Amino acid sequence: QLQLQESGSGLVKPSQTLSLTCAVSGGSISSGGYSWNWIRQPPGKGLEWVGHIYQIGSTYYNPSLRTRVTISLDRSTNQFSLRLTSVTAADTAVYFCARAATYYFDFWGQGTLVTVSS
Amino acid sequence: YDLTQPPSVSVSPGQTASITCSGDKLGDKYACWYQQKPGQSPTLVIYQDSMRPSGIPERFSGSNSGNTAILTISGTQAMDEADYYCQAWDSSTVVFGGGTKLTVL
Repeated sequence: QLQLQESGSGLVKPSQTLSLTCAVSGGSISSGGYSWNWIRQPPGKGLEWVGHIYQIGSTYYNPSLRTRVTISLDRSTNQFSLRLTSVTAADTAVYFCARAATYYFDFWGQGTLVTVSS
Repeated sequence: YDLTQPPSVSVSPGQTASITCSGDKLGDKYACWYQQKPGQSPTLVIYQDSMRPSGIPERFSGSNSGNTAILTISGTQAMDEADYYCQAWDSSTVVFGGGTKLTVL
């Protein structure tokens, strides 16, 4: 059974960079046919897709975040990561990592709350 | 690309609940649905318009045609009370609907 686990700083100061990692177990991020995604959910609000990366390294980002987001893969540790620069309070959210099969997310992490505050 | 859902839907136990998701030519794309209970990660309940993942009860069904996808829950149970999100892919990017809170009362 595939499992995903987010980790990273839970508190980030405004204007700084948010960094999160998703550890994947029970399967390889190098498997073809999947993408590795970040999705966020501000407190009390809906889901917002942040972006994804394919095992070949190609990336796609939410147009509203594109200038600030970078997603990368580390095949040696079977992890993928999210960097979001110049954060503001609007970036406060639970951040989920998830695997996407063809057009749907089949496995999700439990989520990690990131708060942007001085 | 936008997907529009009603903010809330109410249903009596045992009755049928229908949750809509509207988007331009949504029927030309694959739609899927997630259930999210408080404090939990979303769970996939319908994928590729009408397919049910293993372990999802048969009372969950889906359809997608024209501009509207519909999630139907037949014989709704108290345990189905949750937020439901539709989702589709558009040109290698992903879009979620705003979510619908299903109340079973």
